[in-house]
Amino acid sequence: QITLKESGPTQVQPTQTLTLTCTFSGFSLNTGGVGVGWIRQPPGKALEWVALIYWDDDKRYSPSLKSRLTITKDTSKNQVVLTMTNMDPVDTGTYYCAHCWGVASGTLGYFDYWGQGILVTASS
Amino acid sequence: SYELTQPPSVSVSPGQTARITCSGDALPRKFAHWYQQKSGQAPVLVIYEDSKRPSGIPERFSGSSSGTLATLSISGAQVEDEADYYCSSIGVSSYHMSFGGGTKLTVL
Repeated sequence: QITLKESGPTQVQPTQTLTLTCTFSGFSLNTGGVGVGWIRQPPGKALEWVALIYWDDDKRYSPSLKSRLTITKDTSKNQVVLTMTNMDPVDTGTYYCAHCWGVASGTLGYFDYWGQGILVTASS
Repeated sequence: SYELTQPPSVSVSPGQTARITCSGDALPRKFAHWYQQKSGQAPVLVIYEDSKRPSGIPERFSGSSSGTLATLSISGAQVEDEADYYCSSIGVSSYHMSFGGGTKLTVL
C-alpha cells in the first residue's frame, strides 16, 4: 500500500525559505521508473506542477519557479525534500506530494498516489 | 510553459454523458492524464495515458485523444461525480509538466 505525507511549516514569513518534506511508504525511490513530485494549489485555484525527482536523481522544475526551487531525495529515509526560497504571499496554497509512474511511456509520468496535502500560508 | 486549455465548467443531468475537453498543441504526440478533485480532497487519477483506467475507477470513466484534443467522458454521470477535473500532459520538449486550468463538473 503506497502512502505519502507532507510535513513542514504551515506559516512562513515573506522572503523566508520554505522547506517541505514528503515521507512515503510502500515503494522505493531506488526502483527504476519511479518518481516523486510536488504539486501546489492556491486557494480556489487550479493545480500547478512544481517539481519532480526520479529514481536516477533526474530533477525537473517548473520553469516559472525554477530559480527558487531545490528538490532532493533521501532513499534511506524514504523522503523527498522541496525547498522554495524567497516566499511571497502568492505562494500561499496547499502543497501536495505524489508518487509518479509511467515515465517509460515517453512522458514525465502521471501521479497515481497523492498525499493529503499541507496548507502553507506566506504572510507577515 | 506549456498551455493546456479546458472549459471552466460543464453541466449535465444525472444519467447523461459528460464530456470534458483538454486542448494542447503537443497532444498529438504526448499522452494526457486526468484527475478528479472533490471539494476539500486531494486529486485522484481517473485516466492515464489518454485512455487507461486505474483499478478502482468506475467503468463509466473513459478517455480518448484525437489531434490536439483529449476528452474525458463520464457515461451515465452520477451526482457523486461532481468535482473539478484536471488534465495533465507535457510539451513537445518533454521537459516540463503542465496541468490544465480545471473544469468544474455539475451533475443536477
